[in-house]
Order: sequence, then structure tokens, then C-alpha cells
Amino acid sequence: DAGVIQSPRHEVTEMGQEVTLRCKPISGHNSLFWYRQTMMRGLELLIYFNNNVPIDDSGMPEDRFSAKMPNASFSTLKIQPSEPRDSAVYFCASSSTNEKLFFGSGTQLSVL
Amino acid sequence: ELKVEQNPLFLSMQEGKNYTIYCNYSTTSDRLYWYRQDPGKSLESLFVLLSNGAVKQEGRLMASLDTKARLSTLHITAAVHDLSATYFCAGNYGGATNKLIFGTGTLLAVQP
Repeated sequence: DAGVIQSPRHEVTEMGQEVTLRCKPISGHNSLFWYRQTMMRGLELLIYFNNNVPIDDSGMPEDRFSAKMPNASFSTLKIQPSEPRDSAVYFCASSSTNEKLFFGSGTQLSVL
Repeated sequence: ELKVEQNPLFLSMQEGKNYTIYCNYSTTSDRLYWYRQDPGKSLESLFVLLSNGAVKQEGRLMASLDTKARLSTLHITAAVHDLSATYFCAGNYGGATNKLIFGTGTLLAVQP
């Protein structure tokens, strides 16, 4: 298995632009998580899905952030419009029920 | 709401020495996870602790869980440079979900 696949690995954009991060979970996993990592706030859970349904989005910082999971093999996290304070590493992770999380390689986002 | 705290935040130790990282969590957690993160890399699962008194060991690392004290420890025996990384503990928010709340992380630097 290729593991959790995220794209792009790096994204540099200008303030106000739309950013879309993508994630392909491990086949067979029924839960998908989006985390954000910064030096100041550490690892924050943004949103997670169970069987493609968003269960808890209380960690999504603002309405500028949205996430979708149209099917079991694909999820997106969108920021529109982006701001410099959104700069961070965004991780996607997946798991089976009650099993450990497997993390992707992350997307390093820089908003100028 | 589950809160997870680790200490110390930074640990510099000499090769061959022993030390312990502590992880306290604020409310009941079904299970406790330890992850390792190398600089610029993703998170790698080390241990999953499922019940009170659980102890798991892998090489020079040993993790334990005391659910009554809401405390997990990661003990490092005879440290080597290759163990230099950031170590995170994470508590499961309970129920049937895998919603993990991560601690602040402990940056371990093993000096030759």
C-alpha cells in the first residue's frame, strides 16, 4: 500500500488566492482527518470524516476553510481566500475504526 | 474537552543516558498513542496503549499507561543519536471515534 497520499507537497500562494489541498487515504480506511501543524499551536485537528461524512468540524478556524470527501478515496481541504496566518503544514491522516492513524507526508503551505 | 500536556518540551541528553517523557491528559481517554516526527517529515506511530497498566517496548523505547493517574510515560534507555526527534503523545477523545488530540510534543536531542 502506498500509504496516505497528499498533494501538493509544497504550495506557495499570494494572499487572497484560493488554495486546495488533496488527500487520498489508505484503501479500506473509513476515517479521514485533517490536521494543521504550526510552531505556535502545534498539531490541531481541523475536521474528520467517518464513512465520508463530516463528523466534527469544530476545529475549522473560519468560514474560509472548507473540506469535502466526495468518496472513500479522496478528500479536499480548501482555503478561500487564503491569508498569511494560514501558513502551516497540513496533514491528512486515515485509519480504520479504533485503529491508529496513518499520516500523509503533509503539504507545506506558504501564503505571502 | 480533552487536553493533553507533555513535559518536558525540550530534552537534551547524552548518548547512553536514560530519561522519561511524561504525558498527562485531562479527561478519560480510551487509548493513548505515541508518535515520532523527524524534522520536516510526517508522523510515525510508535505505540498504542489500550488499557490501564499497559506497557509496550520497542528497542530503546518503552511506553506505559496509568489511566487512573491519567498519565503515560515514554522511557528512553541508553539513548543514541538516532532517537533524536520530536515525540508526541495523543489521547483518543473517546467513544467509537479515533479523534486524537495531540500534546505539544517533546523535542529530543541526543548529543554524542
